[in-house]
Amino acid sequence: DAGVIQSPRHEVTEMGQEVTLRCKPISGHDYLFWYRQTMMRGLELLIYFNNNVPIDDSGMPEDRFSAKMPNASFSTLKIQPSEPRDSAVYFCASSLTVYEETQYFGPGTRLLVL
Amino acid sequence: QKEVEQDPGPLSVPEGAIVSLNCTYSNSAFQYFMWYRQYSRKGPELLMYTYSSGNKEDGRFTAQVDKSSKYISLFIRDSQPSDSATYLCAIRDDKIIFGKGTRLHILP
Repeated sequence: DAGVIQSPRHEVTEMGQEVTLRCKPISGHDYLFWYRQTMMRGLELLIYFNNNVPIDDSGMPEDRFSAKMPNASFSTLKIQPSEPRDSAVYFCASSLTVYEETQYFGPGTRLLVL
Repeated sequence: QKEVEQDPGPLSVPEGAIVSLNCTYSNSAFQYFMWYRQYSRKGPELLMYTYSSGNKEDGRFTAQVDKSSKYISLFIRDSQPSDSATYLCAIRDDKIIFGKGTRLHILP
């Protein structure tokens, strides 16, 4: 398996623009997680899905952020409109169960909002 | 108080030294404890996990949990330059909660 795949790997955009991050989890994994990592706040869970259904979105910072999982092999995280404080590395991870200690992380998308 | 606290470092040690990385946590009910390793510009990967108290050893790595003091540690023996990375402690509640990570540099 190729592991968790994320695209794009780097994104530079201007404030106010829409940003869409994409993730393909490991085949057969029922859980998908979106994280954001910054120096100040560390690795924060934004939202996670079970079988394509959002379970906990309490980490989504505000209404500008939205996430979808239309099928078992694809998820998107959208920021509209983007702001400079959204600059961070966004990771997608997947696991077999939510109670599994091993979450498999993708390589991340490095987002810079100017 | 954050649920998991970790000194961000950086921590620089000479090759071959024993490294000690530590975290504290707030909730005594936590039972599952993990260490993830993150190389520069990569995603974190699970290094070790332990359940409840005690030690767990895997090669040069030892994870230790002291529930009485709510303290978790990772020891690296005979440290190598390839161990240079950020180490994140984590606990599992209904989801995994990560510390901010400690940056470790092993100097050749």
